[in-house]
Amino acid sequence: GQQVMQIPQYQHVQEGEDFTTYCNSSTTLSNIQWYKQRPGGHPVFLIQLVKSGEVKKQKRLTFQFGEAKKNSSLHITATQTTDVGTYFCAGRSTNAGKSTFGDGTTLTVKP
Amino acid sequence: GAGVSQSPRYKVTKRGQDVALRCDPISGHVSLYWYRQALGQGPEFLTYFNYEAQQDKSGLPNDRFSAERPEGSISTLTIQRTEQRDSAMYRCASSRDRAYGYTFGSGTRLTVV
Repeated sequence: GQQVMQIPQYQHVQEGEDFTTYCNSSTTLSNIQWYKQRPGGHPVFLIQLVKSGEVKKQKRLTFQFGEAKKNSSLHITATQTTDVGTYFCAGRSTNAGKSTFGDGTTLTVKP
Repeated sequence: GAGVSQSPRYKVTKRGQDVALRCDPISGHVSLYWYRQALGQGPEFLTYFNYEAQQDKSGLPNDRFSAERPEGSISTLTIQRTEQRDSAMYRCASSRDRAYGYTFGSGTRLTVV
C-alpha cells in the first residue's frame, strides 16, 4: 500500500534559524496536505497542494509540491517559539478517498 | 457544531469489554474519517464515510472493529472484546468532501487494562 515518509524525525533549532521538513510518497499523489500538531493537541490543517510544482506561502511558511507529485516540503523562515510542534504531511493517491499520514517532524525551538 | 466533537475524551475499559466511541462532525461536512494515533506517530487510517455510506474500511485492524454513520452525521466506532493492543488515541475528522482538508476532533484516549 501507499507509504509516506518524512524526514527528519526531529529538528532542534535556535530561535531565528530556518527549518525544513521533507515528505516523500511511494506513489503519485493527487494532493498533499500539511498539518501542525502542538504538544497534547490534535492535528490542525495548514494547507493543501494540488498542482505539480505548486508553491504556496503562509507568512513565514513556504510549501512546495514536487514536479512528479511524489514529494513535498515545508520551509519555515526565522523560526519562533510559537512554531514548536509536530508537522505532518498527508498524501492522497489518485482515486483514493483517504489521506495517508507520515510520522511527522517534531520541531523544538530554543529561545 | 463549530468543531468536531468526540466523546468520551477518556475511556478506561477492562480487557474483553466492548466500547463505543462517538464522533459529531461539523454540520454539513460530507466526509467523516476515523484514524488511530500512537504516541510519536502519525494518524493511521481506519475507515471513512461519505454521507452515510462507508467508502473504505481497509484500515480496520480486524473484525472486532466496526463503524457506522446511519444518518450521515454522527458516527460511532465500536470495538468488541477489547484487547490491550487496542489502547491508543482514536481521532475523528470531517471535511466538506474528500477534496478538502480535515478538521480533527480532540480525540478519545482509550486505555484497555
